[in-house]
Amino acid sequence: SAVISQKPSRDICQRGTSLTIQCQVDSQVTMMFWYRQQPGQSLTLIATANQGSEATYESGFVIDKFPISRPNLTFSTLTVSNMSPEDSSIYLCSQSGGSKNEYNEQFFGPGTRLTVL
Amino acid sequence: QKEVEQNSGPLSVPEGAIASLNCTYSDRGSQSFFWYRQYSGKSPELIMFIYSNGDKEDGRFTAQLNKASQYVSLLIRDSQPSDSATYLCAVESNTGKLIFGQGTTLQVKP
Repeated sequence: SAVISQKPSRDICQRGTSLTIQCQVDSQVTMMFWYRQQPGQSLTLIATANQGSEATYESGFVIDKFPISRPNLTFSTLTVSNMSPEDSSIYLCSQSGGSKNEYNEQFFGPGTRLTVL
Repeated sequence: QKEVEQNSGPLSVPEGAIASLNCTYSDRGSQSFFWYRQYSGKSPELIMFIYSNGDKEDGRFTAQLNKASQYVSLLIRDSQPSDSATYLCAVESNTGKLIFGQGTTLQVKP
């Protein structure tokens, strides 16, 4: 499968600030997704990052809070804006639809562990 | 009713035994099903996917799918302590999104 990297791997931020998380795939992929995993919980899809157009957000997530960019087929960013302690979570990007994928399975990056004070 | 349901566990099995992890889903139109393993502090790792009724085997892992019963399971044979992790069942919706269950924590005791 394609190799996915995320930066930063972890960060501690102050309330009211914003953090941009980067996701890089080592080959072109059709789909990229952003998930949140709160402590002790399963994964919740935030949005699908669409190349060249606005991201598709899931219920409960809005563009003003979680702006997403996807300028090409290998890179995406997620910004967590105006952070509060409730945003403390692990943020994961995933990819599917690449030439290295056997089916439409999704592979995950290593995640970004965010703590908001 | 949750869209994808798993027993949160923990499921405890002795080393060498068969671990059986179960998952039910509500969308009868779902076509693809995935099992991920997640170690503490790590991201989910895909271990199996299945889209046809029946069994699919890969090494010590067997995925079983019964679309009529809306049921998918994962069997781990000869369980090892290194298999201790949370196992996430994911179902692909008709829009291509994955819907995850809450995960089952497996503990394999030496």
